[in-house]
Amino acid sequence: DQQVKQNSPSLSVQEGRISILNCDYTNSMFDYFLWYKKYPAEGPTFLISISSIKDKNEDGRFTVFLNKSAKHLSLHIVPSQPGDSAVYFCAASASNQGGKLIFGQGTELSVKP
Amino acid sequence: DSGVTQTPKHLITATGQRVTLRCSPRSGDLSVYWYQQSLDQGLQFLIQYYNGEERAKGNILERFSAQQFPDLHSELNLSSLELGDSALYFCASSVSGMSTDTQYFGPGTRLTVL
Repeated sequence: DQQVKQNSPSLSVQEGRISILNCDYTNSMFDYFLWYKKYPAEGPTFLISISSIKDKNEDGRFTVFLNKSAKHLSLHIVPSQPGDSAVYFCAASASNQGGKLIFGQGTELSVKP
Repeated sequence: DSGVTQTPKHLITATGQRVTLRCSPRSGDLSVYWYQQSLDQGLQFLIQYYNGEERAKGNILERFSAQQFPDLHSELNLSSLELGDSALYFCASSVSGMSTDTQYFGPGTRLTVL
């Protein structure tokens, strides 16, 4: 039972354009969502998070949008840079489950110069 | 560098054997987490400890066990290893173990079972 889904295994974007990575979830108990970035042979690195009481959170070039009614979140990267090429994971947690994070399968972003 | 350290980086062993993976959390973090990433899989939560006590448990196999010691480092023990246990094992740590904590991940231990 995949509670967090990233339906696009890969995404290719031109440098300077917007990258939009999508994530869907099924468990309505999730109330905190995070995006992590992962390079090969490294651990995931935290990017940005959003609480379910908000619908948008911004940090520099990264913005996360949450649509609770659709159980959907997205990560926007503007402008995209070649150094953003990595695998992006969305993750979700529920306040009644300790710190357990449920991860999506990841989307590999390739930003071409 | 997240400040989370994991040893060893690589481990190659045979089926039926037992191994121990070690994790040291960031300074000041009280909670540690273990995740498994198999080939073509996302990260699967295994178990969480907070200040030495188990806080949350995922689909961790009975052959796997973990503990967090008084100095807050943690060990994940994998026994009766099978080929399917080959994976990347990540440790993460956070300050309080709450669901709104940011978890900081170590570089992982790559386990290969032959």
